[in-house]
Amino acid sequence: AQSVAQPEDQVNVAEGNPLTVKCTYSVSGNPYLFWYVQYPNRGLQFLLKYITGDNLVKGSYGFEAEFNKSQTSFHLKKPSALVSDSALYFCAVSPDSSASKIIFGSGTRLSIRP
Amino acid sequence: SQTIHQWPATLVQPVGSPLSLECTVEGTSNPNLYWYRQAAGRGLQLLFYSVGIGQISSEVPQNLSASRPQDRQFILSSKKLLLSDSGFYLCAWKGRVTGELFFGEGSRLTVL
Repeated sequence: AQSVAQPEDQVNVAEGNPLTVKCTYSVSGNPYLFWYVQYPNRGLQFLLKYITGDNLVKGSYGFEAEFNKSQTSFHLKKPSALVSDSALYFCAVSPDSSASKIIFGSGTRLSIRP
Repeated sequence: SQTIHQWPATLVQPVGSPLSLECTVEGTSNPNLYWYRQAAGRGLQLLFYSVGIGQISSEVPQNLSASRPQDRQFILSSKKLLLSDSGFYLCAWKGRVTGELFFGEGSRLTVL
């Protein structure tokens, strides 16, 4: 069965420092992997996705994610955090683009202190 | 470009009353459509998804139902709300080629 794990409920980082939000997955085949961000009382916004190709994927707002097949991980990263990055982040996985269901992780709350 | 609309944005309903949340998508055809519920600002629970008109798959048995009367319209309903139905309801559509979901702005339901 497909699953996604975000092992950290909360990540705290000082502004200007690099940040990492962790995600591991379990799915057969070659998965499609996604990151979304949610600000308070808003819908989820798509950040980036990995389908195939370069393991380092660049997305919106300066975020990037690294796909590691051997570790089945897809960690979200940013070299220098901003206070405005504070939000709830979700990792998601789909077995392919045509799959009906996308499975979401439980979310990680990112807090950036000034 | 594609857009997704959800309404109402906020709803306060008494226990036992009916519910209707509506979602429409513009700028795309034959999308997959989804209803999620988010409790307490955390994880997403998939409630229903639809791959076409009149085709509804239910993920969680409960007192909610969904319908898709038109290609780009998805409705979440209940005949009698429970306190536990309170939450943030999110509609989303998925393009068949790109694979990612695009979410509406959500509907916050409070059942009293």
